Amino acid sequence: GESVGLHLPTLSVQEGDNSIINCAYSNSASDYFIWYKQESGKGPQFIIDIRSNMDKRQGQRVTVLLNKTVKHLSLQIAATQPGDSAVYFCAETLEGTASKLTFGTGTRLQVTL
Amino acid sequence: NAGVTQTPKFRVLKTGQSMTLLCAQDMNHEYMYWYRQDPGMGLRLIHYSVGEGTTAKGEVPDGYNVSRLKKQNFLLGLESAAPSQTSVYFCASRNIDQETQYFGPGTRLLVL
Repeated sequence: GESVGLHLPTLSVQEGDNSIINCAYSNSASDYFIWYKQESGKGPQFIIDIRSNMDKRQGQRVTVLLNKTVKHLSLQIAATQPGDSAVYFCAETLEGTASKLTFGTGTRLQVTL
Repeated sequence: NAGVTQTPKFRVLKTGQSMTLLCAQDMNHEYMYWYRQDPGMGLRLIHYSVGEGTTAKGEVPDGYNVSRLKKQNFLLGLESAAPSQTSVYFCASRNIDQETQYFGPGTRLLVL
């Protein structure tokens, strides 16, 4: 597949460990946030979302934390697996505005055996 | 249910040539989007559409045109390709009452 994000920050994690991927968002008015996973040669895939009236949301093996005070999002992946290796993007938007998602630059997660 | 599909998967153009990228979705989504993705950057919105017959500019619209003649299709046109348009292009769609966008597999475009 094509090279996505040649100069992305990279997080290396051992299989079985927990991963934490961070994202700083730009617009204090944004009220809806999404994490996407992008594997090589594929389009972004939805992982989990959170609205601004929440500070934590859990899915299957993933948790998203939102800190509106410092405009920070994090994605926690429990018991990281080789299949989790990908580039992870956060995206922000204002609900009801059509509308465009504003994406972060992404973080590459490498899972080592 | 194929979701969002894009054609072609890969294309090489010479500077000044034109081409059209096709996006199709079978989820009856109202909203459709075209993004470009460049190394070291997140996706940037080119144009979007909130329904059949409507289009609007995104963050980086210059050099591109779009059309939404049918609800399920969203076309992205390059009238005169430039090397700066070398990128990976992603189409996405979403339902009117959801914020989550569903992405296609991408079209890789190389302009020489």
